[in-house]
Amino acid sequence: AQSVTQLGSHVSVSEGALVLLRCNYSSSVPPYLFWYVQYPNQGLQLLLKYTTGATLVKGINGFEAEFKKSETSFHLTKPSAHMSDAAEYFCAVNQNNTNAGKSTFGDGTTLTVKP
Amino acid sequence: NAGVMQNPRHLVRRRGQEARLRCSPMKGHSHVYWYRQLPEEGLKFMVYLQKENIIDESGMPKERFSAEFPKEGPSILRIQQVVRGDSAAYFCASSPTARVGGGYNEQFFGPGTRLTVL
Repeated sequence: AQSVTQLGSHVSVSEGALVLLRCNYSSSVPPYLFWYVQYPNQGLQLLLKYTTGATLVKGINGFEAEFKKSETSFHLTKPSAHMSDAAEYFCAVNQNNTNAGKSTFGDGTTLTVKP
Repeated sequence: NAGVMQNPRHLVRRRGQEARLRCSPMKGHSHVYWYRQLPEEGLKFMVYLQKENIIDESGMPKERFSAEFPKEGPSILRIQQVVRGDSAAYFCASSPTARVGGGYNEQFFGPGTRLTVL
């Protein structure tokens, strides 16, 4: 079984401030972890993913996330927020086993960036 | 290489009608996944298909919903006798395979079909 919890359904930051979106997961086997961004009325775009190897993963648009097995976390960060980062962000987990296929998503965090 | 295509982008149905949602995966992709996103919620897995096979339908409601991915043509998600609670965004994703040699193949998402049931 696998699950994802995103702490904070809404996060508001000022332009130029640090962005931190939290994600904790539960998985019975080593996970694959993902962050997606969704702009209004659009589909999901992959920001970054962790499969194996280096635990600090860099993605597009200056975002990065760190896989911490001991904390079962995969928090998303960006040093300096830009107005164009305002969107909804989803964390997802996929099980690293032979039945891999479906992804389990968190409920999302809406990021607001204030000028 | 075109991305995942979904049509229609918006679909309005009255209660009791049928809704057909189409998904054309990316070229070379043989795996299709359908997800549903209710307002203010994340995506919930519905069904995972390969060509002519349903691999996992654990997220699909037992009644009124069906999915297929024929040998030729797009994948179809069919909802019979729609009710207001079916109003949601339905997303399709595709991947070349689910797993290759112990690795993972990314799922690419379509723009979604927004179903409104009046």
